[in-house]
Amino acid sequence: DAGVTQSPTHLIKTRGQQVTLRCSPKSGHDTVSWYQQALGQGPQFIFQYYEEEERQRGNFPDRFSGHQFPNYSSELNVNALLLGDSALYLCASSLWPPYEQYFGPGTRLTVT
Amino acid sequence: LAKTTQPISMDSYEGQEVNITCSHNNIATNDYITWYQQFPSQGPRFIIQGYKTKVTNEVASLFIPADRKSSTLSLPRVSLSDTAVYYCLVGDRGSGGGADGLTFGKGTHLIIQP
Repeated sequence: DAGVTQSPTHLIKTRGQQVTLRCSPKSGHDTVSWYQQALGQGPQFIFQYYEEEERQRGNFPDRFSGHQFPNYSSELNVNALLLGDSALYLCASSLWPPYEQYFGPGTRLTVT
Repeated sequence: LAKTTQPISMDSYEGQEVNITCSHNNIATNDYITWYQQFPSQGPRFIIQGYKTKVTNEVASLFIPADRKSSTLSLPRVSLSDTAVYYCLVGDRGSGGGADGLTFGKGTHLIIQP
């Protein structure tokens, strides 16, 4: 049984560019949440998708957007990258409502 | 959201029992207490969740006193592989632990020595 998978594992971008990160949920899960984790900090909630709709959103600007596909996979898009966007981006999947979330290994984004 | 306070770091030795306490003085009636474990460069892993008294699974025990203003994660007979960051989260179970998704603090960095 495959767990949560994310791609790519590492990514290097330049300020001002745009990036798309991908997540496939654990088999049987229908809810995907995205988190940003800066070095030395706990993960911070970005947003959550269920039934292809954004259900909850954390305190992140509109530069952060997402999408959920009919197969429950999800994308996180970040526009106009800033140096401060450098972080580990984590995807978590669950059933709805999201009692217990299963995290993927993350995508390490470096903005130069 | 209830704010949580836990030690920044703890040290222990292989074979010992480790107890990590989390303070959450303004926990709400609907809130559950959940603990996650995170290894470097990996996503957090759910350990245990409880509402009151004691919960035990194959990995850990969670002790919650009657006033629910604190909780203690107990790891029996730790090994070197238990070295990780442990997060205490408090929130409405129906929304995954918080009104805005899971709310993580800085966690407790547990270091196990031989």
